[in-house]
Amino acid sequence: DQQVKQNSPSLSVQEGRISILNCDYTNSMFDYFLWYKKYPAEGPTFLISISSIKDKNEDGRFTVFLNKSAKHLSLHIVPSQPGDSAVYFCAASGGSNYKLTFGKGTLLTVNP
Amino acid sequence: GAGVSQSPSNKVTEKGKDVELRCDPISGHTALYWYRQSLGQGLEFLIYFQGNSAPDKSGLPSDRFSAERTGGSVSTLTIQRTQQEDSAVYLCASSLMVGPGELFFGEGSRLTVL
Repeated sequence: DQQVKQNSPSLSVQEGRISILNCDYTNSMFDYFLWYKKYPAEGPTFLISISSIKDKNEDGRFTVFLNKSAKHLSLHIVPSQPGDSAVYFCAASGGSNYKLTFGKGTLLTVNP
Repeated sequence: GAGVSQSPSNKVTEKGKDVELRCDPISGHTALYWYRQSLGQGLEFLIYFQGNSAPDKSGLPSDRFSAERTGGSVSTLTIQRTQQEDSAVYLCASSLMVGPGELFFGEGSRLTVL
């Protein structure tokens, strides 16, 4: 039972354009969401997060949008750069359970 | 070091052997997590330690898996009688806070069971 779903295994974008990575969740107890970025042979690194009391959080080129009614969040990267090429994981936690539940990841390739 | 340190970075073992994977979290971080990533899968939660509280072992896939955290710092994940399906990257993460927040991950230990 996959509680966090990233339905696109891969995404290819041209440098300078917008990258949009999507994530859906099924557990209505989730109230905190994070995006992690992972390069090959490295551990995931934290990118940006959002609490369920907000619907948008922005940090430089990265913006996360949360639609609670649709149980959907998305990560926007604009403008995309070749160094953004990596696997992006969506993660969620909720209630008194602090463990993060991760999606399977989306491989983003930004072409020069 | 400043980050989460894991060893070994790579381990190849024969089916049926026991393995130990070590994690040294960031100093002062009270929460420690183990996850694993099998090929083509997301990060699967294994176990969570928080201070002196009883660990959350709900993600351990079988009784062949165990973990301990000594002195609130270093943690060891032990897999007994390894099976081929145990092959994965085992990731350790630590966190400063209790509650939801950023986890800092190590580079992982890649386990291959032949």
